[in-house]
Amino acid sequence: GDSVTQMEGPVTLSEEAFLTINCTYTATGYPSLFWYVQYPGEGLQLLLKATKADDKGSNKGFEATYRKETTSFHLEKGSVQVSDSAVYFCALGNSGGYQKVTFGTGTKLQVIP
Amino acid sequence: GAVVSQHPSWVICKSGTSVKIECRSLDFQATTMFWYRQFPKQSLMLMATSNEGSKATYEQGVEKDKFLINHASLTLSTLTVTSAHPEDSSFYICSARDPKGAGYGYTFGSGTRLTVV
Repeated sequence: GDSVTQMEGPVTLSEEAFLTINCTYTATGYPSLFWYVQYPGEGLQLLLKATKADDKGSNKGFEATYRKETTSFHLEKGSVQVSDSAVYFCALGNSGGYQKVTFGTGTKLQVIP
Repeated sequence: GAVVSQHPSWVICKSGTSVKIECRSLDFQATTMFWYRQFPKQSLMLMATSNEGSKATYEQGVEKDKFLINHASLTLSTLTVTSAHPEDSSFYICSARDPKGAGYGYTFGSGTRLTVV
């Protein structure tokens, strides 16, 4: 079945540091890939997405590239801010139908001033 | 973009009582909604898929008699936790698929924190 593996957290970085959160997946067919962010006490928000190989999703300075050859979708940001502190979930969904989304276990990011 | 409204955002109930959580799609019709449960420091686990006008599809290990799902209209799905017990305390989140094209992601509600005392 489908699965998503994320690097374990928590990840603690100083403000303006470079961020990478690794994510790899196993799936049948051609899934879409997502990164969701969950701020403390809130629900999930879609951060970015990519629907096919080599697509790059980007939003709020975060980027992730759909790498089919390595089945990866690593999240990056060049300079993190304190306000980026949250839990980040990598996820996949099979496009074209109302199928469930499979989530990774989430990675907590803490950015310190 | 698509908005999903979930209420209440938090609820405290006594053991043995039932609690209803609502999930509404505000600006689109959702024939399918999903209910997730999130345990502390863990990922979201899909509980069931709610289909408008038909019975929900439950994931393995989820008690359908305990977690009643009703999807009576294209904009509303409800999850009722019946005879709640402390072990049901959790964060419940609903989602619906964004109708603006395949693979465009799923919109989530803001979640409901249930505490059973």
